[in-house]
Amino acid sequence: GAGVSQSPSNKVTEKGKDVELRCDPISGHTALYWYRQSLGQGLEFLIYFQGNSAPDKSGLPSDRFSAERTGGSVSTLTIQRTQQEDSAVYLCASSLVAGDTEAFFGQGTRLTVV
Amino acid sequence: AQRVTQPEKLLSVFKGAPVELKCNYSYSGSPELFWYVQYSRQRLQLLLRHISRESIKGFTADLNKGETSFHLKKPFAQEEDSAMYYCALKRTNDYKLSFGAGTTVTVRA
Repeated sequence: GAGVSQSPSNKVTEKGKDVELRCDPISGHTALYWYRQSLGQGLEFLIYFQGNSAPDKSGLPSDRFSAERTGGSVSTLTIQRTQQEDSAVYLCASSLVAGDTEAFFGQGTRLTVV
Repeated sequence: AQRVTQPEKLLSVFKGAPVELKCNYSYSGSPELFWYVQYSRQRLQLLLRHISRESIKGFTADLNKGETSFHLKKPFAQEEDSAMYYCALKRTNDYKLSFGAGTTVTVRA
C-alpha cells in the first residue's frame, strides 16, 4: 500500500487478556517505530526497529509489552495481561532510514481495556 | 533528558486572526525541532521542520535557542487549520522523536 497500515483499527479487550497489534510499514522503509498516544499525554515512544539491528526497547512501559519485526517488514506489538491503563491509541511509523527526519504514521489502533 | 512542553491544550481563534502555538523544549545539545499535525480522522503528518526554514500552509516556526522555543505561527488562520498540533524534538544522533502533549486548535468562522 501507499502508506503505513495498522490493524485492527479498534480493539476492545477484557482486562487480563493478551492483545496483538499489527503494523505494515511503507515498502522499503527500514526503520519502524511504535508510539502510544494517550489522552492529554502526547505521544510516548515505545520501541524502534532498524533493519537487522537489535531493537531499542527503552520506551516499553513494562515487561508485559513486547514487539517483534519479522523479515524486516511487518511488526507486531503484543501486550500481555492488559490493564485499563493500557487503553490508548497505538501508532506505528516508518521512515526510509534510521534518523530520517520524516516519519510516516499509520492511522493507529485504538485499544480499549474494559 | 529532553522534554517538550506545549503549555496550551486548547486554542480557539477566529478565522482571519493570527494564531501562535507555543512550544518550549529542554535539551542541552543541538536539537532538531518539528511540528506534526493531525486533522480530524486523518493520520499524524509532518507539517514542518526547523532545518528546512520553510513555510507550509502559511505556517512558520523559528527555533530560538536562547529561549529554547519553537513556536508555530500563522498570520491569518483558516477553518481548515483546525487540528491537533504536536511539537517534537529529535536529539543529535538519535532516531526517535520526543513529543509534546499537543495543542488542539479550533478556528471559528
